[in-house]
Amino acid sequence: GDSVTQMEGPVTLSEEACLTINCTYTATGYPSLFWYVQYPGEGLQLLLKATKADDKGSNKGFEATYRKETTSFHLEKGSVQVSDSAVYFCALSSSGGSNYKLTFGKGTLLTVNP
Amino acid sequence: NAGVTQTPKFRVLKTGQSMTLLCAQDMNHEYMYWYRQDPGMGLRLIHYSVGEGTTAKGEVPDGYNVSRLKKQNFLLGLESAAPSQTSVYFCASTRGLAGGLAGTDTQYFGPGTRLTVL
Repeated sequence: GDSVTQMEGPVTLSEEACLTINCTYTATGYPSLFWYVQYPGEGLQLLLKATKADDKGSNKGFEATYRKETTSFHLEKGSVQVSDSAVYFCALSSSGGSNYKLTFGKGTLLTVNP
Repeated sequence: NAGVTQTPKFRVLKTGQSMTLLCAQDMNHEYMYWYRQDPGMGLRLIHYSVGEGTTAKGEVPDGYNVSRLKKQNFLLGLESAAPSQTSVYFCASTRGLAGGLAGTDTQYFGPGTRLTVL
């Protein structure tokens, strides 16, 4: 079945450091890929997504590129801020009949110190 | 728009008690979902619904029941709570796009319900 594997962390960075959170997936067909973010005490919200190979999703300075050849969707940011401290989830939705269900990775806790 | 709301925010139950979690969305979304979030496990799908009056099992449905009598509401029931059901429960919804596009759409999440079963 479908699965998502991401860096488990926790990841601790200083403000203005570079961030990469690795995400790889296993799926049949052509899934859509997502990064969701969960700020402390809140529900998840979409950070960015890519729906086909070589697409780049971007939002709030974060980027991720859908790499079909390496089955990856790594999250990157060039300069993190304290306000980026949160849990980040990589997810995929399958193609085909069950394409409305998301499969999530286990989440990566990011803490950014001033 | 309130988006997706969940009631209650917190609850403590004793083993064997029952309760119902309510999820409501005001976005006229077709699809709704219940997830549970446990440390180190990510989010796991409990049940979902692709329209009013329809429900289906997800990855971890045992011990839970659901109903979708109205399009805007999705109820999650625990008939006889167990300590293993201690978790944070999230509801989500999405538009339910046709033409094979459903999987490209964003899921909108509620703020969660923290449930403790003693």
